[in-house]
Amino acid sequence: SQKIEQNSEALNIQEGKTATLTCNYTNYSPAYLQWYRQDPGRGPVFLLLIRENEKEKRKERLKVTFDTTLKQSLFHITASQPADSATYLCALNFILTGGGNKLTFGTGTQLKVEL
Amino acid sequence: DGGITQSPKYLFRKEGQNVTLSCEQNLNHDAMYWYRQDPGQGLRLIYYSQIVNDFQKGDIAEGYSVSREKKESFPLTVTSAQKNPTAFYLCASSPKTGPSRGYTFGSGTRLTVV
Repeated sequence: SQKIEQNSEALNIQEGKTATLTCNYTNYSPAYLQWYRQDPGRGPVFLLLIRENEKEKRKERLKVTFDTTLKQSLFHITASQPADSATYLCALNFILTGGGNKLTFGTGTQLKVEL
Repeated sequence: DGGITQSPKYLFRKEGQNVTLSCEQNLNHDAMYWYRQDPGQGLRLIYYSQIVNDFQKGDIAEGYSVSREKKESFPLTVTSAQKNPTAFYLCASSPKTGPSRGYTFGSGTRLTVV
């Protein structure tokens, strides 16, 4: 069966360090992979998208890698700040017949950045 | 500003009642989605619609119903057939042409059975 795995244990890091979150998947061949941020009691917010033919994508302090051979994506936040504390969700994108797309989410990893 | 509005923010349902969750978007997006979020289980897709007057079941559609009579609106009804409806419900939308900008989510409705 299809599965998306993110580390269920919270990740605690010190301010200024680089946070690295992992997303592994099995039995999928996604066209795209996306990362979202979710704060408690709020809806997810889109951060980055990477296509299956891209190895790396950057946006400000964020970097995403996508290895379709390993079936893994890594999400990095450099120079982390307490305001980066949130749950980060990985999501796989599939193109539907007739156009449109469907997104399947992992369970998320909670990041806490401490002073 | 464009966005998605979900209402109400909190909803309490008695056993055996049907309740309807509202989702409205002014982003001119073709596609709309309903997800359910439970602790430790991530988001699970209930229903989605790529175009007005058409919708498809997601992974956990049993006990739910939807309609898409207008492009802007995609209400979700939680029926009495849904045995465990207590959860956080999220509505999202996206352009049909491609996912390059990701999904836009509403702020959610927390439903509790009392």
